[in-house]
Amino acid sequence: GAVVSQHPSRVICKSGTSVKIECRSLDFQATTMFWYRQFPKQSLMLMATSNEGSKATYEQGVEKDKFLINHASLTLSTLTVTSAHPEDSSFYICSARAGTGMPQPQHFGDGTRLSIL
Amino acid sequence: AQKITQTQPGMFVQEKEAVTLDCTYDTSDPSYGLFWYKQPSSGEMIFLIYQGSYDQQNATEGRYSLNFQKARKSANLVISASQLGDSAMYFCAMREGAGSQGNLIFGKGTKLSVKP
Repeated sequence: GAVVSQHPSRVICKSGTSVKIECRSLDFQATTMFWYRQFPKQSLMLMATSNEGSKATYEQGVEKDKFLINHASLTLSTLTVTSAHPEDSSFYICSARAGTGMPQPQHFGDGTRLSIL
Repeated sequence: AQKITQTQPGMFVQEKEAVTLDCTYDTSDPSYGLFWYKQPSSGEMIFLIYQGSYDQQNATEGRYSLNFQKARKSANLVISASQLGDSAMYFCAMREGAGSQGNLIFGKGTKLSVKP
């Protein structure tokens, strides 16, 4: 099946650090990638949608200057948490989809646990 | 109003028994897709099964089947012959619109615990 690789799986860093998370589709070209945030014991909350070669579409309440998304190729999207603070600690998970047809499931990366000290 | 409702925060099932996880949805779009994902404690989201709004038959994938009742707007997941490895969070999700570039809308999830 389709594989999405997300790296790193875990990050622990000091407050004020910027953290970059990579999301790669390994065996298909992802026209659309999604970034989610998940707090403990809660559901996935969509942060932004990115299409290759265009600016990401952010959900209401998500700071675009705080969470920089780049989707430079059909197989790679990155999320950079700029000047991270303890409240940014969370589980971030990316997802990719090959096309726009309805049956196309979104394939998820394994997630990144971000802990800001 | 919530688009996806999962009313069972937690469920227990005996190993080898069947279990049904409930999901109801709300949409006015005639074209939509319903998805179920499994999330083990390790965090990854595993796609299980898909049901399209125009599909005549209930979807099945191995031990997973989807009880799709369109008039009731429900899409319950049935897991047969539960295994210990089925213990995880289960999320129901919907994507609206034909063709669709839309994102998945997730329910709050149900935590399934399989007892030996």
